[in-house]
Amino acid sequence: GENVEQHPSTLSVQEGDSAVIKCTYSDSASNYFPWYKQELGKRPQLIIDIRSNVGEKKDQRIAVTLNKTAKHFSLHITETQPEDSAVYFCAAKGGSQGNLIFGKGTKLSVKP
Amino acid sequence: GAVVSQHPSWVICKSGTSVKIECRSLDFQATTMFWYRQFPKQSLMLMATSNEGSKATYEQGVEKDKFLINHASLTLSTLTVTSAHPEDSSFYICSAMAGGWDTQYFGPGTRLTVL
Repeated sequence: GENVEQHPSTLSVQEGDSAVIKCTYSDSASNYFPWYKQELGKRPQLIIDIRSNVGEKKDQRIAVTLNKTAKHFSLHITETQPEDSAVYFCAAKGGSQGNLIFGKGTKLSVKP
Repeated sequence: GAVVSQHPSWVICKSGTSVKIECRSLDFQATTMFWYRQFPKQSLMLMATSNEGSKATYEQGVEKDKFLINHASLTLSTLTVTSAHPEDSSFYICSAMAGGWDTQYFGPGTRLTVL
């Protein structure tokens, strides 16, 4: 089955700097890769996603890149702000029922 | 759009009792709903996948007789934790997906504490 590895597990940056989180997946048939942001005690919220027919997608300060050959995808946050502090999960869609396989998460801390 | 609600948001119960958690899609028809469990500072662990009108598919290691899932309509799925014990204490989150979609939208979660 699908396996998703996520790095780093924690990331601390200064406000205004960029943050990059990387994920790798094992199933070459996976075709959908969302990123979720989860604040403490709250629901995961979709922040951006990418499909396998696209190499890069951007939404304001957030971008995701996908390398199908290498089976990895990355989240890029530019001009980080304290409110970006949260746990970020990557996921890959695997299985016949559209199951998402999640990475273990990255705790991002943005210091003012 | 794509709002998912979950009720209750928290529940405290005595060991041996059963607890029902509801997950509703408010503005779309959810052909598939997922139930996850999340321990503190950990990732989301998929427990089961349910399709409207059919039996849920449970992940390996999840007891189907303990975690009863019903997806009776296109907007409602329920998870019943039967004969709850303290080790069942956790954060339970549902998500919903409409037919033809890739994206799952999550409910706000239910924090279960079993005394």
